Amino acid sequence: TAGITQAPTSQILAAGRSMTLRCTQDMRHNAMYWYRQDLGLGLRLIHYSNTAGTTGKGEVPDGYSVSRANTDDFPLTLASAVPSQTSVYFCASSEAASNEQFFGPGTRLTVL
Amino acid sequence: GQNIDQPTEMTATEGAIVQINCTYQTSGFNGLFWYQQHAGEAPTFLSYNVLDGLEEKGRFSSFLSRSKGYSYLLLKELQMKDSASYLCAVRDGDYKLSFGAGTTVTVRA
Repeated sequence: TAGITQAPTSQILAAGRSMTLRCTQDMRHNAMYWYRQDLGLGLRLIHYSNTAGTTGKGEVPDGYSVSRANTDDFPLTLASAVPSQTSVYFCASSEAASNEQFFGPGTRLTVL
Repeated sequence: GQNIDQPTEMTATEGAIVQINCTYQTSGFNGLFWYQQHAGEAPTFLSYNVLDGLEEKGRFSSFLSRSKGYSYLLLKELQMKDSASYLCAVRDGDYKLSFGAGTTVTVRA
């Protein structure tokens, strides 16, 4: 069973370039989330979607955008990357917003 | 918003018991979660408390006191594979999770 997949696994990106991190789940979960994890800060919510067609801002949304065109996919886009966006990015999903979240394997992004 | 505190590191011996405390201040409360995260891997769900009291699941137990804004995760009969980070997360009234920075547990032989 695939669960949640993320791509790429890791990426080095030049500052100012754009990048889309991909996230796909095959569990038919309604809710999906994007977090970034930085040393000493824990996981912080960037954007979320409670159901296909809707999105919302989390704790640290600036510099990021998302879309939720269908149930399975929830891409995260950095329009113009900056070094402070260097982080490990985790996508997660849950059956509903009230259920526990399952996490993907993560994408390690380095912005130089 | 949420303010979640947990110790940074703990060390224990194989076979022993370790208790990881988590305190929180929240503007809305809709449950507390514990996740385990091995180095370089994704967090995995361990436990969920929404009512006061103890939830036991095998070697792991989690306790919640809502009036005190306090939870703990108890790991019994420690094994080497339990060496990991343990993340405390509080869910707010909008069902969004806020995570603590995590507690790194090192199990020594």
